[in-house]
Amino acid sequence: AQSVTQLDSQVPVFEEAPVELRCNYSSSVSVYLFWYVQYPNQGLQLLLKYLSGSTLVKGINGFEAEFNKSQTSFHLRKPSVHISDTAEYFCAVSPYDKVIFGPGTSLSVIP
Amino acid sequence: GAGVSQSPRYKVAKRGQDVALRCDPISGHVSLFWYQQALGQGPEFLTYFQNEAQLDKSGLPSDRFFAERPEGSVSTLKIQRTQQEDSAVYLCASSLGSRSYNEQFFGPGTRLTVL
Repeated sequence: AQSVTQLDSQVPVFEEAPVELRCNYSSSVSVYLFWYVQYPNQGLQLLLKYLSGSTLVKGINGFEAEFNKSQTSFHLRKPSVHISDTAEYFCAVSPYDKVIFGPGTSLSVIP
Repeated sequence: GAGVSQSPRYKVAKRGQDVALRCDPISGHVSLFWYQQALGQGPEFLTYFQNEAQLDKSGLPSDRFFAERPEGSVSTLKIQRTQQEDSAVYLCASSLGSRSYNEQFFGPGTRLTVL
């Protein structure tokens, strides 16, 4: 079975500061990795995904994530956040068909 | 093109009532997923269709939950004899391909409240 842990349920950060949202997973098989974002009153949308190849993945809105197989982590980073980045962020893994989501991290950007 | 749509957006049911939630995926999308999202939690997988075939229903919490996609397009999630613990947002997502690495496009969800 697979599981996803997002250690920080809430992350407040000042505008233009860097941010890292942590994600760890457990799986006995190889998985695909994803970050989805849910803006207030909107549906989830894909930020980025790791399938294979380079461990540094770039996504939309200036976000990037790094896959670390030895640490089973897939942390999300942005060097400078904007007010508009305030949202709920979900890390997810997929072994082959279903997608398993973490509990989410609420990012609040403070002006 | 239109995205994934779900109806109704909000549903209030009395305990014991049956409800039906509808999902209209993006046209041409092969895969369709249903998730349940409790307040403050991530989406939890319920079931998955590839065209009209239900390939995985391991996440359905009980036999009161039933999903169908008879023509490989629109899908309905039915909950019989609703209980208070069924209160949640029910999300539908579709993807173009049949593999999980394909991006899933989510609908806005149906918020179900069982009184």
